[in-house]
Amino acid sequence: DAMVIQNPRYQVTQFGKPVTLSCSQTLNHNVMYWYQQKSSQAPKLLFHYYDKDFNNEADTPDNFQSRRPNTSFCFLDIRSPGLGDAAMYLCATSTGTGGRNEQFFGPGTRLTVL
Amino acid sequence: GENVEQHPSTLSVQEGDSAVIKCTYSDSASNYFPWYKQELGKRPQLIIDIRSNVGEKKDQRIAVTLNKTAKHFSLHITETQPEDSAVYFCAAPHSGNTPLVFGKGTRLSVIA
Repeated sequence: DAMVIQNPRYQVTQFGKPVTLSCSQTLNHNVMYWYQQKSSQAPKLLFHYYDKDFNNEADTPDNFQSRRPNTSFCFLDIRSPGLGDAAMYLCATSTGTGGRNEQFFGPGTRLTVL
Repeated sequence: GENVEQHPSTLSVQEGDSAVIKCTYSDSASNYFPWYKQELGKRPQLIIDIRSNVGEKKDQRIAVTLNKTAKHFSLHITETQPEDSAVYFCAAPHSGNTPLVFGKGTRLSVIA
């Protein structure tokens, strides 16, 4: 009964080689989020979409981009991965933003940068 | 914006004892306070949440208390079991329509 699906679960890329992570959802939620989580740290919000409305966090590097072609899918593009971008990337969804809206997380994609 | 502080960062308890994790938040307009549990290598999962119109909520061995005046909320786990071992994150939203801000997490170890 997977509701938020992330592919691949593990991704290895080379320093500077563009990489795309994907997320899909079967919940028909309006909002999709991308978080970066490094070891022993809290998830850090990179950006989110409310429908097609893109919201970037102020401290998200320009190296990170996102696309949401339809309600079900959202992509994270890392244009030139650096060693510091190695992390777990979590996708999440919710019906709305802010208070009273539970966020459902996907299983994550663990990115390794060689 | 919202700032969420979580303590302690690590917590070890004997099986059967209680565990308490505390969080403070800065935005007095925040109205929703969830707690997530993340087991090693797995996704964060919501275990309990509380709205601002109540002071306490309980679900079996887990309870959350909220003090809006002091702007803090706590997670209480009673009769801890080894399977409670995980990292726990608190969170709070900014006022209005903005996403959750997470605390830095507490690594709970329940020793059998």
